[in-house]
Amino acid sequence: QVQLQESGPGLVRPSQTLSLTCSVSGGSISSGGYFWSWISQYPGKGLEWIGYIYHSGSTYYNPSLKSRVTISVDTSKNQFSVRLSSVTAADTAVYYCARGHKLGWTFDIWGQGTMVTVSS
Amino acid sequence: DIHLTQSPSFLSASVGDRVTITCRASQGISSYLAWFQQKPGKAPKLLIYAASTLQSGVPSRFSGSRSGTEFTLTISSLQPEDFATYYCQQLNSYLFTFGPGTKVDIK
Repeated sequence: QVQLQESGPGLVRPSQTLSLTCSVSGGSISSGGYFWSWISQYPGKGLEWIGYIYHSGSTYYNPSLKSRVTISVDTSKNQFSVRLSSVTAADTAVYYCARGHKLGWTFDIWGQGTMVTVSS
Repeated sequence: DIHLTQSPSFLSASVGDRVTITCRASQGISSYLAWFQQKPGKAPKLLIYAASTLQSGVPSRFSGSRSGTEFTLTISSLQPEDFATYYCQQLNSYLFTFGPGTKVDIK
């Protein structure tokens, strides 16, 4: 049973870089047919896709965030990470990592989510 | 960009009711449309993908369908554990977007 777990600071200062890591257990991040994604949910609001990465390292980002986002993968650690630069209070959200599958181009396994607050 | 709208945004229903939620796209999209259920403080849970395919382990009272640019999630007989917020999600031109959500509350 594949499980995902986010980790990282819960508080980030404005203008700094938000960094989170997702650890994958119960399966290999190098398994074919899957992609690995980050999704945010702003307080009391809906969901926004940030981007995804394949185990090969190929990435796709939401154009609205592309200038500030970097997603990377470490297959040796079975982890993938997101960095969001120049954060503001508007980036305060719950951040989820999720596994995507090409079968339906959707997200079938999610981490529990981690709350990140941007504040001085 | 394609925008998704959901209707209603809120509905009040009773256990045993048949519930229908609609997701409309601003323009034609593929059948890569999924439905999620989210409960407070929890991650979204995949219910339906490719418009009508039931995710493994999801009860058969959930079903999905498509008619043109309109997608529908139906819960045939609402159960106590189904009170939650439901989101649709689609992929188009390498961009994933989610609908604004429909909250299903107890009448």
